[in-house]
Amino acid sequence: DAGITQSPRHKVTETGTPVTLRCHQTENHRYMYWYRQDPGHGLRLIHYSYGVKDTDKGEVSDGYSVSRSKTEDFLLTLESATSSQTSVYFCATWTGTYEQYFGPGTRLTVT
Amino acid sequence: AQSVTQLGSHVSVSEGALVLLRCNYSSSVPPYLFWYVQYPNQGLQLLLKYTSAATLVKGINGFEAEFKKSETSFHLTKPSAHMSDAAEYFCAVSEKTGANNLFFGTGTRLTVIP
Repeated sequence: DAGITQSPRHKVTETGTPVTLRCHQTENHRYMYWYRQDPGHGLRLIHYSYGVKDTDKGEVSDGYSVSRSKTEDFLLTLESATSSQTSVYFCATWTGTYEQYFGPGTRLTVT
Repeated sequence: AQSVTQLGSHVSVSEGALVLLRCNYSSSVPPYLFWYVQYPNQGLQLLLKYTSAATLVKGINGFEAEFKKSETSFHLTKPSAHMSDAAEYFCAVSEKTGANNLFFGTGTRLTVIP
């Protein structure tokens, strides 16, 4: 357990509204990641961060932005939510050795 | 580029029977390989990992996996299924360098029949 919390855990929002998901870690891990999980696709990387203010795009970054102003927090923003962004979002951290540790997930529904 | 293929989106086994979940990968360099398990409405938990040491890797809950370079496979096995093994299982491959981005398979849902 890498001390990862995600908020909110569930959210329903309307198309066109902005949404921000928060990931908070207590282990001081340098790397943090946002994934989305969809049936038939597994998990796909949205964005990742390799330090404060250092971020880069993943496989499915269109429509998403991220920010990391503190080591412990990594925010994922949907500027204008669409129904195709209905998904379960997972945050993860990496210690720098092998595996990544995952948070409990946020279930987002865009109506 | 890395990619992972998991054969069989759903696998059913009887309690006490052998569990075999298949994973094949493609990678331009020797990879790190992982199996994660996801119980309903939970995050992902690491079962085991291959990091280029022993090719037979033992994990938690009695699971193990064997790295076979010639077959580009990393299949997950457990000799005797338990009801508590019912979950979704994901195979993943990572780059060894840079940001360690993970590439996941599409998952296999394991059902254990009493």
